[in-house]
Amino acid sequence: DTGVSQNPRHKITKRGQNVTFRCDPISEHNRLYWYRQTLGQGPEFLTYFQNEAQLEKSRLLSDRFSAERPKGSFSTLEIQRTEQGDSAMYLCASSLGSSWQTQYFGPGTRLLVL
Amino acid sequence: GEDVEQSLFLSVREGDSSVINCTYTDSSSTYLYWYKQEPGAGLQLLTYIFSNMDMKQDQRLTVLLNKKDKHLSLRIADTQTGDSAIYFCAESPNSNSGYALNFGKGTSLLVTP
Repeated sequence: DTGVSQNPRHKITKRGQNVTFRCDPISEHNRLYWYRQTLGQGPEFLTYFQNEAQLEKSRLLSDRFSAERPKGSFSTLEIQRTEQGDSAMYLCASSLGSSWQTQYFGPGTRLLVL
Repeated sequence: GEDVEQSLFLSVREGDSSVINCTYTDSSSTYLYWYKQEPGAGLQLLTYIFSNMDMKQDQRLTVLLNKKDKHLSLRIADTQTGDSAIYFCAESPNSNSGYALNFGKGTSLLVTP
């Protein structure tokens, strides 16, 4: 399978705990995006990497959120001191610079904060 | 921010055509997209159209773009039960560097036998 992969697929945590999600983009895709999708809504942009550089962050990305893409390949999204409002599906997408208009999405990580 | 609006629900009978409509507000959008999401799954790119086009056809899918009215539609011919899903319209505003997508809330399509 050469698509975008995300792990874990599901995460249940208690309020106040830290969680980390991983995204593996399609090989050679230099652009990587994180989105958040809450129930009944469309995905909302969180942040974007070109190679290892984080070039853009949404206002939705509070101080408790941090994303990294240390070697320009996989990326991690960490949420510190989780709150119930963080419960959502976290989606990762990737695209190739020369075909930037085509973003391919992973299956998502569903987070439930109790 | 800019809004992408879609009707929330559409029901059609198997074999009929489905038309899902979307309006957007960012006139600088370069590309407009249709994504499909099945329950518990990620988003599947169905098709996209460049803003200087007014129509694109791909097998059973036809996309119409009215740039003057900022209106986008997706027509699915011969709709099948497997087409039941949520369909998202999205725009790629030209106002940001990364071309992050701006999505509508999605239209739930129910195809009945």
